[in-house]
Amino acid sequence: DAGVIQSPRHEVTEMGQEVTLRCKPISGHNSLFWYRQTMMRGLELLIYFNNNVPIDDSGMPEDRFSAKMPNASFSTLKIQPSEPRDSAVYFCASSYNSNQPQHFGDGTRLSIL
Amino acid sequence: AQSVTQPDIHITVSEGASLELRCNYSYGATPYLFWYVQSPGQGLQLLLKYFSGDTLVQGIKGFEAEFKRSQSSFNLRKPSVHWSDAAEYFCAVGPSSNTGKLIFGQGTTLQVKP
Repeated sequence: DAGVIQSPRHEVTEMGQEVTLRCKPISGHNSLFWYRQTMMRGLELLIYFNNNVPIDDSGMPEDRFSAKMPNASFSTLKIQPSEPRDSAVYFCASSYNSNQPQHFGDGTRLSIL
Repeated sequence: AQSVTQPDIHITVSEGASLELRCNYSYGATPYLFWYVQSPGQGLQLLLKYFSGDTLVQGIKGFEAEFKRSQSSFNLRKPSVHWSDAAEYFCAVGPSSNTGKLIFGQGTTLQVKP
């Protein structure tokens, strides 16, 4: 079975540019999570969706960050404009329901120059 | 407030030796508890989970963990470590309500000496 698929795996761009990260959850999973991982702050939950609806976006750092889930098989995390401090590894995870374990993608390593 | 503490940031063990990684949580109700492992350049992989029932749970790769409510702990153990176990390990706690949100510890990096 295919796991959680994230793209791109690596992204290098200049500050001020728009960045879009993509995630395809495991088929049949109805919860989707976006995390950010840095050395300083560890693993932080940015936002999660249940049945395509954002439930908690309290972890989104600021208005430059936005996330959408237009359907059950696709989600995006967008940063506009990007800043060097946004450099991190961004993970997407999905779960069958909110009481089941989360399955993680391999992440997108983002570098903002 | 809900929290997870992994007291050991870095642990080094010899190959073949036993391993115990500590995890303490703070949570008001019965928690769901998880251990994940992250190898370099990869995402987190679920090792094992505790929801209810037997407090000793078995996971993949020969790992086990024991839930001790009185100590608010969920320590991960392995009787004999292999070099391929070198990775970062994360303990996480989930709420019993229907929200799905996990709280992760800061992680413990395991180094295995030959």
